[in-house]
Amino acid sequence: KQEVTQIPAALSVPEGENLVLNCSFTDSAIYNLQWFRQDPGKGLTSLLLIQSSQREQTSGRLNASLDKSSGRSTLYIAASQPGDSATYLCAVGNMAGTALIFGKGTTLSVSS
Amino acid sequence: GAVVSQHPSRVICKSGTSVKIECRSLDFQATTMFWYRQFPKQSLMLMATSNEGSKATYEQGVEKDKFLINHASLTLSTLTVTSAHPEDSSFYICSAMTLAGGPMETQYFGPGTRLLVL
Repeated sequence: KQEVTQIPAALSVPEGENLVLNCSFTDSAIYNLQWFRQDPGKGLTSLLLIQSSQREQTSGRLNASLDKSSGRSTLYIAASQPGDSATYLCAVGNMAGTALIFGKGTTLSVSS
Repeated sequence: GAVVSQHPSRVICKSGTSVKIECRSLDFQATTMFWYRQFPKQSLMLMATSNEGSKATYEQGVEKDKFLINHASLTLSTLTVTSAHPEDSSFYICSAMTLAGGPMETQYFGPGTRLLVL
């Protein structure tokens, strides 16, 4: 059974820092991996989707990497801003057309 | 991009009543919709997979007679929480998979429905 773990559970940094969020999964035979942002009491905003054949995806200040063989993904946020404060969720798709399996998330707080 | 809506966004009800939550894909057709539940400080957990025109598939531990799912069209799925109890209070989120216009594997998520059962 696929399990997704995110470390750390919470992270506080001053504005301007570069930071890395970690995600690990137990079964490396995944179809894709997705990073989401969730603001308190709100739904999900998709940030980056990495197919199993890809190693990384970039969008603005965000870069997500995928190492299937080791069961790991990282989300790199450059030059963090207070507006980046949110919970970041990592989710794995085991097969095409199936539901995602989510980690518990990392709650990020960026202070000005 | 593809948009998924949920209605209502927030609902408060008395214990023992039933609540219906709608999930709509606004600008695309979705043969498959998923219903997730999220308790405070927990991850999203899949409740059921809803396919248009067929019975939903429920995850282990989710009571199909309590959480009724109807996927009557390619743009609408409904989740009805029957005889709701305080322990059903949670954040319910749906997602829909596109038929065309994007990667088949992309799920688009609704904004969620906050249910509070008193």
